[in-house]
Amino acid sequence: QVQLVESGGGVVQPGRSLRLSCAASGFTFSSYGMHWVRQAPGKGLEWVAVIWYDGSNKYYADSVKGRFTISRDNSKNTLYLQMNSLRAEDTAVYYCARAVDTAMVTPPYNWFDPWGQGTLVTVSS
Amino acid sequence: DIQMTQSPSSLSASVGDRVTITCRASQSISSYLNWYQQKPGKAPKLLIYAASSLQSGVPSRFSGSGSGTDFTLTISSLQPEDFATYYCQQSYSTVRFTFGPGTKVDIK
Repeated sequence: QVQLVESGGGVVQPGRSLRLSCAASGFTFSSYGMHWVRQAPGKGLEWVAVIWYDGSNKYYADSVKGRFTISRDNSKNTLYLQMNSLRAEDTAVYYCARAVDTAMVTPPYNWFDPWGQGTLVTVSS
Repeated sequence: DIQMTQSPSSLSASVGDRVTITCRASQSISSYLNWYQQKPGKAPKLLIYAASSLQSGVPSRFSGSGSGTDFTLTISSLQPEDFATYYCQQSYSTVRFTFGPGTKVDIK
């Protein structure tokens, strides 16, 4: 079955870096775009970044632009999020999610499915 | 950026109740609107995509409607497993995705 498993979370000091990974299985990873979404403790969902199926395009939320980098290795079926210059406000559970779309219309309808179980990043001194 | 709002922010309901959650976009997004369910400590789960299409495996008591700026998620007969937080999400902008703030549904 389709599965996404995040790893790499932990406690990190402000200003330091961390890299998250998302291992995909059960589908042709190289055919799908992928997202990172985060959720601060007790808060709602915040989209972080997206990468196209071939890595050719990447887009970021303003809150992380210039500090975070999304990437992928299609030979390893793995998505990454490099997080630099971390701040206390980056503390959250980070989820990866597959980007699914349909060509019913142009541009295609698109949604996030499935999601991984999440990995917690805590930025604290 | 497209802003999403939801109402109410929370509601209390009983098993068997009909529940309606509203989502509004700051500009027209046609039918580029998705709904997710999240239970405590769990990842979100897709319920509805393209405003009204039911995701495979999701019970038919869930339905979505609307287009343009105003959308609704309806649960026709609330079940115990439906107590959760519900989020709308716009996918009209494929370079800036935004979620609504969420609606928490709990037991009356």
